[in-house]
Amino acid sequence: EDKVVQSPLSLVVHEGDTVTLNCSYEVTNFRSLLWYKQEKKAPTFLFMLTSSGIEKKSGRLSSILDKKELFSILNITATQTGDSAIYLCASTIQGAQKLVFGQGTRLTINP
Amino acid sequence: GAGVSQSPSNKVTEKGKDVELRCDPISGHTALYWYRQSLGQGLEFLIYFQGNSAPDKSGLPSDRFSAERTGGSVSTLTIQRTQQEDSAVYLCASSLNFGTQYFGPGTRLTVL
Repeated sequence: EDKVVQSPLSLVVHEGDTVTLNCSYEVTNFRSLLWYKQEKKAPTFLFMLTSSGIEKKSGRLSSILDKKELFSILNITATQTGDSAIYLCASTIQGAQKLVFGQGTRLTINP
Repeated sequence: GAGVSQSPSNKVTEKGKDVELRCDPISGHTALYWYRQSLGQGLEFLIYFQGNSAPDKSGLPSDRFSAERTGGSVSTLTIQRTQQEDSAVYLCASSLNFGTQYFGPGTRLTVL
């Protein structure tokens, strides 16, 4: 069964800290890995990763994929209260269009 | 449209009633997806439509769940004889062919 596992499930840090969120996957015919940020209801797209070792960066957020060890990390530096959200990791599979999601990491940034 | 829209935003119903949830995808997007998110959980795939192809219904949890997509645009997810375990946020997403999926704001369904 295809599976995506995120850790930690919950994380509370202070504003300004750096955080690393983890995502491991076990899927047949892996195609890509995606990160989404969910603040209220609608997840918003952050990154799509298809190749190992190539960092994707957007402002204070960055992400990288390791296809040998089957995991990805999402880093957020100099965190702000607006970064508080649930961060979702999902895998796509060759030949199927559905996303397989992890449980999400609930990140809380305290001022 | 500018983004994926869903209606209603909230729905409270009694156990045993039928409900219909609506999704308007981004204009021009050929693919449409339904997911379900139970409290504290990740998203669970329900069904996927792509153009005129037969939908992928592999995620529908029971035969009480069905969905249709009329004219290749708007989709309706129907849950018959609702149960309390159907309570969740139902999210719709659309994409251009096999591209990135963009999500709507969801419908929060509460079955009493």
